Amino acid sequence: DAKTTQPTSMDCAEGRAANLPCNHSTISGNEYVYWYRQIHSQGPQYIIHGLKNNETNEMASLIITEDRKSSTLILPHATLRDTAVYYCIVRVRVSGNTGKLIFGQGTTLQVKP
Amino acid sequence: DADVTQTPRNRITKTGKRIMLECSQTKGHDRMYWYRQDPGLGLRLIYYSFDVKDINKGEISDGYSVSRQAQAKFSLSLESAIPNQTALYFCATSDWTSGRTETQYFGPGTRLLVL
Repeated sequence: DAKTTQPTSMDCAEGRAANLPCNHSTISGNEYVYWYRQIHSQGPQYIIHGLKNNETNEMASLIITEDRKSSTLILPHATLRDTAVYYCIVRVRVSGNTGKLIFGQGTTLQVKP
Repeated sequence: DADVTQTPRNRITKTGKRIMLECSQTKGHDRMYWYRQDPGLGLRLIYYSFDVKDINKGEISDGYSVSRQAQAKFSLSLESAIPNQTALYFCATSDWTSGRTETQYFGPGTRLLVL
């Protein structure tokens, strides 16, 4: 099973870009990388996912290295409401095209005024 | 996400009691999941169901059972609660849309305390 490694915590100044790294060196060629976040004790919230190409949506951008062994989630203009635990997840294949997500401990991002 | 609801939101029970946590969704998704989260840790998968007739154990299913009563309902039971099952429990859903993607939508959580 592919595993991910993230820093335990990071700080970011409000209004600046937050760049959250993730290593997934054992990822398989057809496995997606997912990012979720959890604000306080609320249910996790989906942010973005990708396979090979860089992805962008209204919340964030995802940059995946060419060898796919690492990725970076970018919050372009962090706000205080972006303070949360961010989880980088590689989908674990169960059988065929069916899979599940395994959550690690994530990165606690603290956005400061 | 208001489309995924969990009841109760908070529950205090005693060791040995049987309790049930319920999850309902109006998203029309075929897949549902139960996770638990302990303080300072990530989520761990208890059970998951890909449709009404397909239920699977996750990482930590011992001491738990589930029932998928309908596509929209997935219940988690603790047959005989013990203190180390004190945790925050989340239900989630997902829709098999295309290929290998798994975007999950989580409920607000149930905080369970076993005395």
